[in-house]
Amino acid sequence: GAVVSQHPSRVICKSGTSVKIECRSLDFQATTMFWYRQFPKQSLMLMATSNEGSKATYEQGVEKDKFLINHASLTLSTLTVTSAHPEDSSFYICSARAGAGSNEQFFGPGTRLTVL
Amino acid sequence: AQSVTQLGSHVSVSEGALVLLRCNYSSSVPPYLFWYVQYPNQGLQLLLKYTSAATLVKGINGFEAEFKKSETSFHLTKPSAHMSDAAEYFCAVTSSGSARQLTFGSGTQLTVLP
Repeated sequence: GAVVSQHPSRVICKSGTSVKIECRSLDFQATTMFWYRQFPKQSLMLMATSNEGSKATYEQGVEKDKFLINHASLTLSTLTVTSAHPEDSSFYICSARAGAGSNEQFFGPGTRLTVL
Repeated sequence: AQSVTQLGSHVSVSEGALVLLRCNYSSSVPPYLFWYVQYPNQGLQLLLKYTSAATLVKGINGFEAEFKKSETSFHLTKPSAHMSDAAEYFCAVTSSGSARQLTFGSGTQLTVLP
C-alpha cells in the first residue's frame, strides 16, 4: 500500500524559532499533499492544500506567512512553522493523494510540535 | 459545501458486544465517504471507503459500513468488539467537486470494557 512518512515525529523548540516538518510519499508520486493540524481531543483541521510546483492554497484563518509550505517535488512537501509560539504546539499531520483522479488520501504518522 | 456529523463523542461497549459508531453527512453532490481510525499519537489509518459502488462496504479488522442515501448516513459497525478496537474514529467526506478535500467529523472515542 501507499506509504507516507513524516519527519521528525516529535520536536521541541523554543519560542521564536522556526521548525521544518517534512512529508514524503515513499512509493508513489503525490501531485497533491494536504497539511492538517490536530489539537488534543479534537478533529483534524485542514490548514492548506499543496500542489507540486505551485503555491499552496491556505484555508481561511491560516497565516500563510507563518506556515510556509513548499512542494518542490512529487514526493516531498515541507511545512515550516516560522517564529513558533506556544499556541502553535499541536499535532501536525500530512496526507498525500496519488493523482487528480484519486479520492483517497494516505496519511503520515504525524509530528508532535511542542513550543516552549 | 459538505459536512460530517458524528453523534456521540464517546462510545463504550463491552468486549464482544456490537460496535455502532454513527456518521451523518451533508453534501450537495454525490459523496465519497471514509472511516479512519487513529491510535494515540499516530496518524490516520483507513478502515473503509464508499465510492459509489456497493452500498455495504467491508473494511479491515471486521468493520463494515452501509451507505444510506435516504438517511444521509454512513454508520460504522462491527459485530464483536475487541480490546484492540479502542481508539478514536473519524468519519470523513469528499466529493469530486471539492478539490477532493476531506472534511472530517469531530471524532468518536471508542472504549472497550473487559
